[in-house]
Amino acid sequence: QIQLMQSGAEVKKPGASVKVSCKASGFTSGFTFSNYGFGWVRQAPGQGLEWMGWISVYNGKTNFAQNFQGRVAMTTDTSTSTAYMELKNLRYDDTAIYYCARGYIFCTGDNCSVVLPLDSWGQGTLVTVSS
Amino acid sequence: SYELTQPPSVSVSPGQTVRIPCSGDALPKEYVYWYQQKPGQAPLLVIYKDNERPSWIPERFSGSTSGTTVTLTISGVQADDEADYFCQSADTSSNSWVFGGGTKLTVL
Repeated sequence: QIQLMQSGAEVKKPGASVKVSCKASGFTSGFTFSNYGFGWVRQAPGQGLEWMGWISVYNGKTNFAQNFQGRVAMTTDTSTSTAYMELKNLRYDDTAIYYCARGYIFCTGDNCSVVLPLDSWGQGTLVTVSS
Repeated sequence: SYELTQPPSVSVSPGQTVRIPCSGDALPKEYVYWYQQKPGQAPLLVIYKDNERPSWIPERFSGSTSGTTVTLTISGVQADDEADYFCQSADTSSNSWVFGGGTKLTVL
């Protein structure tokens, strides 16, 4: 497992954007941040887990859940081993804990994607949308 | 995408065996992953690829498959096993992921 440290809690107004960071450390010898991908998952108060999307650090490829397409962006910064998730046009029902988690890269020829499992998780970032 | 279905809750006495099912039409051809989540904590991977156990998970946790249902089994349940358990799978045709609704395990 690696360690994932997420940014602190945020309070935002409806219509605003939030950007959550996820800094990775503790990679074992021979493997680096660029060898992996990251998934983002959120959990509304008292609810289950909801997959938002993933990003491959290896080739920058992203894949977003249909519910978030057009509103979410995911990026990475290899110089700081940090993944980012930005959610735009926030609504009240976006109030949730947002988690990053490490996934693995699987390639078929030149087509590389992020695959399960998610074996290391950040501590979560509470985003509250309130006027 | 598709759905994964779990019972909302199960209960068991300490020392007994509990089975938590996860059903979905695509499960015969897609792997299932199980996560344990205790209150106030992030999820923890307990089973991957239907029945593989990470090194940090005790042998009491196991997984099995039968048709469209994958089952997480916890043997010799302990009070510390009380948590929410979520199954997860992927739709490899679209590279999208899905979670089951979660099952709350109560240790009586």
